[in-house]
Amino acid sequence: GAVVSQHPSRVICKSGTSVKIECRSLDFQATTMFWYRQFPKQSLMLMATSNEGSKATYEQGVEKDKFLINHASLTLSTLTVTSAHPEDSSFYICSATGSITHEQYFGPGTRLTVT
Amino acid sequence: DAKTTQPPSMDCAEGRAANLPCNHSTISGNEYVYWYRQIHSQGPQYIIHGLKNNETNEMASLIITEDRKSSTLILPHATLRDTAVYYCIVRVADGGSEKLVFGKGTKLTVNP
Repeated sequence: GAVVSQHPSRVICKSGTSVKIECRSLDFQATTMFWYRQFPKQSLMLMATSNEGSKATYEQGVEKDKFLINHASLTLSTLTVTSAHPEDSSFYICSATGSITHEQYFGPGTRLTVT
Repeated sequence: DAKTTQPPSMDCAEGRAANLPCNHSTISGNEYVYWYRQIHSQGPQYIIHGLKNNETNEMASLIITEDRKSSTLILPHATLRDTAVYYCIVRVADGGSEKLVFGKGTKLTVNP
C-alpha cells in the first residue's frame, strides 16, 4: 500500500514555457502533499507544503508565483513551473501523508530539463 | 537546517551487516528519528522510524541510544541493491504539517 505516482517521469521544455507535474496518491487519501526539488549531487530541498483545499505554504526563497501548487482533491496535487528557465532544470519529487498514517510516501520523481 | 549529522560515505561487503550511524544531539523529547533511502534517480523510500525504543521491520533495525542523541540503522545482510544514499531525519513538527528536513545523508556502497 501507500503508493504515490508522478507524471510525467521526464519532461523537456523550452525556456519561457510552463510545465505541469502531477502527483497522485493511488491507494490512500492524502491530506497533505509536499513538493521537493533536488539538484544533481545535492539533497532534497522542500519547496512547499499543501493541504487539500487550502493554499500551499511555501518555504523561504521559493517563489509562489513561479511554482504554482494546486491540491484540489485528496488524491491529486499539481506543481506548475511557469515561465521555466534552464536554472529550473531539476528533479522534482512529491510526497504525501494520509489522515491515518503520518509517514511520508514519496513519488518516483520527475526530471525536468529546460532548454 | 537538518538536525542530524551523518558520515558522507560508507562501504560494506555484500552479505555483511551495514551499520549506519547518525547523530541528533539536539533532538527534542517528542521528535521521532526517521530513516529513508534514495536509490539513484528515484524518490526516497521509507525504511523505519522510532522514538526511544529499538525498532525492527523486514528491512532494517533501528537502535536509538538511551539519551536519544544518536542512532544506528542496521541492514543485517546487505545486498548490492542496498547501495543508496541513506537519510537520517528528525521529524520536525511545524504547524501540524510535520515536514521532513533532509540533510546530506550517507552514501552507502555495497561491494561484491
